[in-house]
Amino acid sequence: SQQGEEDPQALSIQEGENATMNCSYKTSINNLQWYRQNSGRGLVHLILIRSNEREKHSGRLRVTLDTSKKSSSLLITASRAADTASYFCATYNNDMRFGAGTRLTVKP
Amino acid sequence: NAGVTQTPKFQVLKTGQSMTLQCAQDMNHNSMYWYRQDPGMGLRLIYYSASEGTTDKGEVPNGYNVSRLNKREFSLRLESAAPSQTSVYFCASSGRQGAGDTQYFGPGTRLTVL
Repeated sequence: SQQGEEDPQALSIQEGENATMNCSYKTSINNLQWYRQNSGRGLVHLILIRSNEREKHSGRLRVTLDTSKKSSSLLITASRAADTASYFCATYNNDMRFGAGTRLTVKP
Repeated sequence: NAGVTQTPKFQVLKTGQSMTLQCAQDMNHNSMYWYRQDPGMGLRLIYYSASEGTTDKGEVPNGYNVSRLNKREFSLRLESAAPSQTSVYFCASSGRQGAGDTQYFGPGTRLTVL
């Protein structure tokens, strides 16, 4: 069964805008990871945040984790058309569980 | 480095036929995984191999078998394919299974069972 649930299921924005995706989960975790999947391709790891961390940055990506609310968010700043993809959160606690993903479309 | 490779990329089977999906990684990872991805369901773990010589069931193992041939290769076998096994199959690898390490994915095999 899925652990993480992403919200929204789909998001459409204009190039240059920021995109925020959320992930909620049900049980305690050791870490939470975000992956990206371009259409017809495998998943690519973006960022990992551990349960004792609250925020992490990587380039235009910012991830936050609130373990008290069992939620995480992924912010992509200054989006580009190339950011169009599906984004998945994956929670780890003994095994990795993936959510159903958020489909992001960035219009040029 | 090729990373994680999978063959074939596409396959069409008739109900009852068998086939083996091949996966290989060149990153010297200990752990390997097989997932299936269905629309709206995310990825679900079929089987994994924490290290060479070991395999364990994941969330949806029924109808599948696996073989960890050596450290590099992990194959998934469908003995008698069913339409419910129509899906996209991904192989992944990571340094260590029990540590929540980043997983590296192959490009996937799109399987249709008629």
